[in-house]
Amino acid sequence: ETGVTQSPTHLIKTRGQQVTLRCSSQSGHNTVSWYQQALGQGPQFIFQYYREEENGRGNFPPRFSGLQFPNYSSELNVNALELDDSALYLCASKGGPEDDTQYFGPGTRLTVL
Amino acid sequence: QKEVEQDPGPLSVPEGAIVSLNCTYSNSAFQYFMWYRQYSRKGPELLMYTYSSGNKEDGRFTAQVDKSSKYISLFIRDSQPSDSATYLCAMSPWGNEKLTFGTGTRLTIIP
Repeated sequence: ETGVTQSPTHLIKTRGQQVTLRCSSQSGHNTVSWYQQALGQGPQFIFQYYREEENGRGNFPPRFSGLQFPNYSSELNVNALELDDSALYLCASKGGPEDDTQYFGPGTRLTVL
Repeated sequence: QKEVEQDPGPLSVPEGAIVSLNCTYSNSAFQYFMWYRQYSRKGPELLMYTYSSGNKEDGRFTAQVDKSSKYISLFIRDSQPSDSATYLCAMSPWGNEKLTFGTGTRLTIIP
């Protein structure tokens, strides 16, 4: 086990709705990243937080936003859901910029109808 | 054109065979190269992590990086049915973070 948990496991939403996905990292892991993995594709980097500040963002629109909390939990929020947002959303955590190992959670499967 | 290209397979080999997986990339800024393994309904797990060009061996796994050709490889010796999974290459200019992944190669080891 990686020590990274995500909730919920599965989620079904309709187009235009908003969704919040949650992640809980290992104690001491100050860096958390979120990735989107479409079916049959590799994960795509959405953004990264370090000590509650965003410190990197991939090619995703502003309707994808995040929060990181002092208790090593974090959230991914997606507004105005589109059909193409249907994917597995992965959370990954690591201790800090010098830490070589990044631990992934099992993901949340989001389906947008 | 994608920054990282990886043959999606599927690839099926008999147990005990040597497996060769590879990726090509176009971004010269990539300095850190990783291979992840992803089982069905699981998140990716790190297999190998290398910096710049060269070889790295860990048990039955060997990772090779050729920056001059922008080509990385993963070799699996004495393949086992438990190696059946999707193998993802990933790379970054900064370390094991903010990764750019390949599509993944789906590998099946036949007993």
